[in-house]
Parts: sequence; C-alpha cells; structure tokens
Amino acid sequence: SQKIEQNSEALNIQEGKTATLTCNYTNYSPAYLQWYRQDPGRGPVFLLLIRENEKEKRKERLKVTFDTTLKQSLFHITASQPADSATYLCALAYIGSGNTGKLIFGQGTTLQVKP
Amino acid sequence: DAGVIQSPRHEVTEMGQEVTLRCKPISGHDYLFWYRQTMMRGLELLIYFNNNVPIDDSGMPEDRFSAKMPNASFSTLKIQPSEPRDSAVYFCASSFKGTSYNEQFFGPGTRLTVL
Repeated sequence: SQKIEQNSEALNIQEGKTATLTCNYTNYSPAYLQWYRQDPGRGPVFLLLIRENEKEKRKERLKVTFDTTLKQSLFHITASQPADSATYLCALAYIGSGNTGKLIFGQGTTLQVKP
Repeated sequence: DAGVIQSPRHEVTEMGQEVTLRCKPISGHDYLFWYRQTMMRGLELLIYFNNNVPIDDSGMPEDRFSAKMPNASFSTLKIQPSEPRDSAVYFCASSFKGTSYNEQFFGPGTRLTVL
C-alpha cells in the first residue's frame, strides 16, 4: 500500500532562518503532491500543489520541490516567523481505477519558530 | 463564503450511543470528504462523495459507521453504536476542481469523545 513519511520529530528553528520539511513516499508514484498547514484545534489549510512534471513551485516565502526519482518532496519556508509555527502535512494524490482518486496524508511535522 | 461548516464542534457521549456528525460543504463544491484524525493514525480518509454519490467508502472502519449525502449542501456521518476507540477529531472537507485529489477545504472538525 502507499506509504508517506514525514519527520515525526518537531523542528525548532530561529526566526529568520529557513525551515525545511521532508516528505518521503514509497510504493507509489503520485501525479500530484500537496502541502497543508494545520494549527491546533483547526482543520488543515491548503498551501501548495505540485505536479510530477514540476520540479519546483513557489508562493511568497514558500517553496516546494518534487523529486520523483528520490520519491521525495521538500517544503521550505524562508525568512521564517513565529507565526509560521504549526504542523505541516504532506499529501499525495493516489489515483485508482476509473480515474477515481484520493489524498493520502502523512502524519505531519510540527514546526516551532522561536523569536 | 462561510467555508465548510461542521456541527457539533464537540461531542461527548457514552459507549453504545448513536452519534451523528453534520457537514455543510462550500456552495458549488462537488466533492465532499469525511476524515478522521488521531495521534496514532494521523488523518485518514473515511469516505468521499461526488455529486452526492458515494464513490469510495473503503476507509470506513466498520459497519457501525455510515455516511449520507441527501443533497449538495448537507452530509452526515453516523456512528451506531459508538465505542471508546472512535474518539477522534472528525473533519469534513470539500473541493470543486473536477477531481477528488485537488486542493481540499476543511471544516473546523468535530472532536468526539466516547466514554
């Protein structure tokens, strides 16, 4: 079955530094990969989607890379701020028969940005 | 738009009782998803609908769980009878971009505690 792994340990960084979160997957080659942000007590919020033919995607201070050879996506937040502190979820798009599909989520990595 | 609306936000019940969770998707969205989130298993897809029709219910854990979508603006997830291991946060999400694996908009969740 499809497996998606994110670093379960919290990532602690200093304000202003670049945060890099990792998402690895096995047993499948997704056409899409998405990143979501989740704050405590709230639902996930969509951030970025990257397709398999896109190596990199940017949105303001966010950058996502997608390496289909390594089966890995990296999520970067540049010039990090305390407000970026949250849990970040990686999700791969699993497409089954009849073009039906669903998102499979990783466990998430908690980022803590210290002032 | 108000976003995805879920009710109740919190539910505490005793083992064996029936629990009904409710969801109103964003108007115009044609996909609706029910997820369950726990510390141990992360965010898991239970079932999703397209144009009110259930497409994939392979994530529904047991026959005790059932979901309906009688119209485009309302869905329910029912657990009968409830058990302590059903305690989790249940999220409803909706999307509109023509596939079931594009960006999803999540509701605030219902925190269910079964005693």
